Amino acid sequence: DAKTTQPTSMDCAEGRAANLPCNHSTISGNEYVYWYRQIHSQGPQYIIHGLKNNETNEMASLIITEDRKSSTLILPHATLRDTAVYYCIVRGTQGGSEKLVFGKGTKLTVNP
Amino acid sequence: DGGITQSPKYLFRKEGQNVTLSCEQNLNHDAMYWYRQDPGQGLRLIYYSQIVNDFQKGDIAEGYSVSREKKESFPLTVTSAQKNPTAFYLCASSSRPADTQYFGPGTRLTVL
Repeated sequence: DAKTTQPTSMDCAEGRAANLPCNHSTISGNEYVYWYRQIHSQGPQYIIHGLKNNETNEMASLIITEDRKSSTLILPHATLRDTAVYYCIVRGTQGGSEKLVFGKGTKLTVNP
Repeated sequence: DGGITQSPKYLFRKEGQNVTLSCEQNLNHDAMYWYRQDPGQGLRLIYYSQIVNDFQKGDIAEGYSVSREKKESFPLTVTSAQKNPTAFYLCASSSRPADTQYFGPGTRLTVL
């Protein structure tokens, strides 16, 4: 699985959009970009994933660049409950891709 | 509500004792996984099961054992052979091995 690079920490004001970047310059053509978040002492929560096209669900939007070397997770209206560590993961769908490789992630703090 | 349950949330054991962590899912998922998380670290795969009565070792299987006798259950036993068992243990499941993994709330094991 390709590696990802994320900023260590970010801050965001409550009610504003939070834009979390991720670099994955060695991503392969059949690898997806996944985003999870983990609130302290809880299990990781799946947010969204995508291959090439931008994706949106009730939690967030995922913007993937045309060359697929980077992506941005957007929380449109951040709340205090969105404070968590956000993980960007690149994962294939073939044999050997059973595990999720979590890096250090980005610690997002939403401030009142 | 469909989901993954892990019990108990906190577990304390004396050194040298085996302990079994429970993981149950009612999502009708074929694949289940056990991960370990240490403070400030990413998740590491212990064991995974793609189907009932079958399981494979992950990256750090030594000192652990599992069984998959029922589709909905994937218990993990931490044996006395595990040298550093104190950690946060996370169970996950996915519809199929390459699909999105969903996590339970975790069990924090402390060995005294």
